[in-house]
Amino acid sequence: SQQGEEDPQALSIQEGENATMNCSYKTSINNLQWYRQNSGRGLVHLILIRSNEREKHSGRLRVTLDTSKKSSSLLITASRAADTASYFCATGASGSRLTFGEGTQLTVNP
Amino acid sequence: EPEVTQTPSHQVTQMGQEVILRCVPISNHLYFYWYRQILGQKVEFLVSFYNNEISEKSEIFDDQFSVERPDGSNFTLKIRSTKLEDSAMYFCASSDPLAKSSYNEQFFGPGTRLTVL
Repeated sequence: SQQGEEDPQALSIQEGENATMNCSYKTSINNLQWYRQNSGRGLVHLILIRSNEREKHSGRLRVTLDTSKKSSSLLITASRAADTASYFCATGASGSRLTFGEGTQLTVNP
Repeated sequence: EPEVTQTPSHQVTQMGQEVILRCVPISNHLYFYWYRQILGQKVEFLVSFYNNEISEKSEIFDDQFSVERPDGSNFTLKIRSTKLEDSAMYFCASSDPLAKSSYNEQFFGPGTRLTVL
């Protein structure tokens, strides 16, 4: 099954620093997505990267995808306290289930 | 911006009781999903629904669970006889794979927290 595994499990940084989270998966994918979840709340879609893309940007977010290593990274630049949340990668084919990883708990200290 | 809505936000029930969780997906979306997240654990897929039938379900989605689209807007998850281990956050999601840019981007609702006592 396609399964994302994030590392680190927890990351604590100071405001203004960059945060990098990694995700690995096991099988071939056609896209990979990153979601954010604030404590006890719903999942917010951040960015989707297709298997034929290597890098994608959205505001302060930068996602890379290396299909040869079956891994992806999410970089949040110039982090803010409001970025404190859990971040999940997820894989899944169109119209099909998403398989989520365990998530990285990011804490941005003011 | 259109969004997925869910009601109620929190449901408390006694073990053995039936619960119905409600969702209103984004109106032009064609695929609907239910996921759950047990406290402190990852999000797990339960079921997907397309063209008025289940298109995929996980091993979690046993005979105690059912889904329905009773009208053109609502999508429900019913748990017939709740167990303690059903306590979790339940998320509804929808997607429109036919949209040019979506490529299976799933939009999630805020969730219903189910507590089984």
